[in-house]
Amino acid sequence: NAGVTQTPKFRVLKTGQSMTLLCAQDMNHEYMYWYRQDPGMGLRLIHYSVGEGTTAKGEVPDGYNVSRLKKQNFLLGLESAAPSQTSVYFCASTQGADNSPLHFGNGTRLTVT
Amino acid sequence: AQKVTQAQTEISVVEKEDVTLDCVYETRDTTYYLFWYKQPPSGELVFLIRRNSFDEQNEISGRYSWNFQKSTSSFNFTITASQVVDSAVYFCALSEGLTSGTYKYIFGTGTRLKVLA
Repeated sequence: NAGVTQTPKFRVLKTGQSMTLLCAQDMNHEYMYWYRQDPGMGLRLIHYSVGEGTTAKGEVPDGYNVSRLKKQNFLLGLESAAPSQTSVYFCASTQGADNSPLHFGNGTRLTVT
Repeated sequence: AQKVTQAQTEISVVEKEDVTLDCVYETRDTTYYLFWYKQPPSGELVFLIRRNSFDEQNEISGRYSWNFQKSTSSFNFTITASQVVDSAVYFCALSEGLTSGTYKYIFGTGTRLKVLA
């Protein structure tokens, strides 16, 4: 049972480059989330989705876009990477509107030089 | 606005000592859930416990126990007889209900626990 899978695990970008982080879950979860983790700042919500075809902004959405074309996948895009986007990115999913715990992927460590 | 505060940035204890990690939250919701997650040095986030706002009973799971007090808006986590394997960053989180009917999970900044042999 894979759970939540994030690809890639590591990536180094140059300022201005673009990339897409992929999150895939095999638990048939409705809700999916993208967080970033920075030292001393905990986990901050970037974007989330309550179902296929829907997305919404979180606390720190600027510089990111997302898409949920299929229920099992939630993509996070950086159109023009900046050094401030150097972070560890976590994807999470959960069943639905019952406050069930988040299931997290193992994270993607992104460095923007 | 909803908020989770973990004032302890880092705690160091010697193995077998008891340690309590503090979590204070703010919310306007009358129904809410609180969570604790563990992030070991390997980096993954592991769910430990969920507690709803109507259940103030303390919970114990092995060496772990949680104390939920609505009167002080706190949800503290105690590890009894700590072990080196308990070394990790611990996050407290609060779920916030949204008008869409879904929930947004707000995390504290985490407490790094170091257990020394």
